[in-house]
Amino acid sequence: AQSVTQLGSHVSVSEGALVLLRCNYSSSVPPYLFWYVQYPNQGLQLLLKYTSAATLVKGINGFEAEFKKSETSFHLTKPSAHMSDAAEYFCAVSVTGGTSYGKLTFGQGTILTVHP
Amino acid sequence: DADVTQTPRNRITKTGKRIMLECSQTKGHDRMYWYRQDPGLGLRLIYYSFDVKDINKGEISDGYSVSRQAQAKFSLSLESAIPNQTALYFCATSDFTSGVTDTQYFGPGTRLTVL
Repeated sequence: AQSVTQLGSHVSVSEGALVLLRCNYSSSVPPYLFWYVQYPNQGLQLLLKYTSAATLVKGINGFEAEFKKSETSFHLTKPSAHMSDAAEYFCAVSVTGGTSYGKLTFGQGTILTVHP
Repeated sequence: DADVTQTPRNRITKTGKRIMLECSQTKGHDRMYWYRQDPGLGLRLIYYSFDVKDINKGEISDGYSVSRQAQAKFSLSLESAIPNQTALYFCATSDFTSGVTDTQYFGPGTRLTVL
């Protein structure tokens, strides 16, 4: 079975600072990996996804993530935080085969706070 | 109009009551999902359906049931609601035509409170 661990339930940065949200996964088969964002009182929307093409994935709003198989990681970064980035971020894994094919397993979420 | 809609958006009910949460989608996707979100636990899968005739339990299906009335409609029922079912519930859809796990698209959520 696959699993996801997000390191840090809360991350706080200053506006203009680097954003780094950490995600480690466990999967016995090649994974697909996703980052979703949830703004207050809204559903989840996709930021970016890795599906075995390029290991560095660029998403919306200036975010990117790098798939590192050796570290089983898929950390999310943004060079310069903006106040509008304040939200909860979820990492998720899906597998490419077996009985769990097509299902997402989510991490517990990281709340990003951006200070002026 | 939103591609994935959920009704109601908010619901307060009492222990023991039967509750139905409804989800409709206009994306034409075959796959639909129900999740619940609890603080600090992320989203957990309750039930999923890969087509109208296919219903599968997720990791936390106890106390819940579902109905896939059509490709576009997937309802979640709590037969006898209990307080620990208080949560934010999300419906999601995805496509599979490319043979690759595709993006899941989420509805706005239903906030359910069981007193």
